[in-house]
Amino acid sequence: GENVEQHPSTLSVQEGDSAVIKCTYSDSASNYFPWYKQELGKRPQLIIDIRSNVGEKKDQRIAVTLNKTAKHFSLHITETQPEDSAVYFCAASIESNYQLIWGAGTKLIIKP
Amino acid sequence: EAGVAQSPRYKIIEKRQSVAFWCNPISGHATLYWYQQILGQGPKLLIQFQNNGVVDDSQLPKDRFSAERLKGVDSTLKIQPAKLEDSAVYLCASSPDPESKNIQYFGAGTRLSVL
Repeated sequence: GENVEQHPSTLSVQEGDSAVIKCTYSDSASNYFPWYKQELGKRPQLIIDIRSNVGEKKDQRIAVTLNKTAKHFSLHITETQPEDSAVYFCAASIESNYQLIWGAGTKLIIKP
Repeated sequence: EAGVAQSPRYKIIEKRQSVAFWCNPISGHATLYWYQQILGQGPKLLIQFQNNGVVDDSQLPKDRFSAERLKGVDSTLKIQPAKLEDSAVYLCASSPDPESKNIQYFGAGTRLSVL
């Protein structure tokens, strides 16, 4: 079955700098890759997603890139702000079964 | 649009007791998921419903956990008897599929502490 690995487990960056979180997946049939943000004590919320027919997607300060050949995808956050501090989860899915296989999460800390 | 509703928000029980959680998905969402999230980990899928049928319950500890979605709308998850290691947040999510293409919307969760 699918396995998703996420790195790093903790990432500390200076406010205003960029942050990059990377995930790899094992099942080449996976074709949907969402990223969720979970603030302390709150529910996971979808922040961006990408499907296998595109290589990059951007939404303001957030972007996701996908390399299907290497089976990895990354989340890029530019001009980080204190409110970006949270745990970020990547996931992979085969659209036909509507299940998400989750990474272990990355705790992002924005230093003032 | 109302979100996914879950209750209770918090529950404290002693080991070997029973507990039940309730979830009401977003109206019209056919697929409903129950996840267990242990502190510091990602969500772990327990069971997935499509309308009132079970799609996948392979990771549900069936000796103590049960779930139902009898009318294809709201759902309950039960633990009987609870163990210390069941302490976690139980998240419910729903998806409107097939058009949603796997987008899942989460409830606020129920935080369970087993003493």
